[in-house]
Amino acid sequence: EAGVAQSPRYKIIEKRQSVAFWCNPISGHATLYWYQQILGQGPKLLIQFQNNGVVDDSQLPKDRFSAERLKGVDSTLKIQPAKLEDSAVYLCASSSITGELFFGEGSRLTVL
Amino acid sequence: AQSVAQPEDQVNVAEGNPLTVKCTYSVSGNPYLFWYVQYPNRGLQFLLKYITGDNLVKGSYGFEAEFNKSQTSFHLKKPSALVSDSALYFCAVRDAGNTGKLIFGQGTTLQVKP
Repeated sequence: EAGVAQSPRYKIIEKRQSVAFWCNPISGHATLYWYQQILGQGPKLLIQFQNNGVVDDSQLPKDRFSAERLKGVDSTLKIQPAKLEDSAVYLCASSSITGELFFGEGSRLTVL
Repeated sequence: AQSVAQPEDQVNVAEGNPLTVKCTYSVSGNPYLFWYVQYPNRGLQFLLKYITGDNLVKGSYGFEAEFNKSQTSFHLKKPSALVSDSALYFCAVRDAGNTGKLIFGQGTTLQVKP
């Protein structure tokens, strides 16, 4: 079974530039999550989708972050404009009916 | 609000010795608890979970965790540590709203020395 796919793995941008991350969850998983993991901290949920609907985006900085899952499968997370404090690893996960989350390898963002 | 705490930033243990990584939780209702491991530059890998039933939960790679309701703890254990177990370990609890999202602790680095 293929795992959660994410790209790019690494991205370096300057502040005020934009960046987009892509995620393809495990086939058949209806729920998709984007987490932000800042160095030295645990992952923090940014947004959760159930199929193509948003379940929870309470921690998403909506002035600069956006995410979509238009067809209920893959998803894109965008940051525009980026700030220095957005430097982090962005983790995508999907969940099965048994409840555990399966994570991708992550996309490491460095904002200079 | 649901939360977990991992009181140790780092745990050091010699190879072959037993290891324990501590986690305490605070929940409203029944706790759904998880352990994940993260190797450098990798995503999080699921180790085990407690939903209900036996207080001792067995998981991947020889790890187990003991659920203790009176102490609100869910410590991760392994009888004999391997150098390859060195990694970052996260405890997590499912959110009370039953959306399925997990709330993670800050992580504990496990260092196993030969």
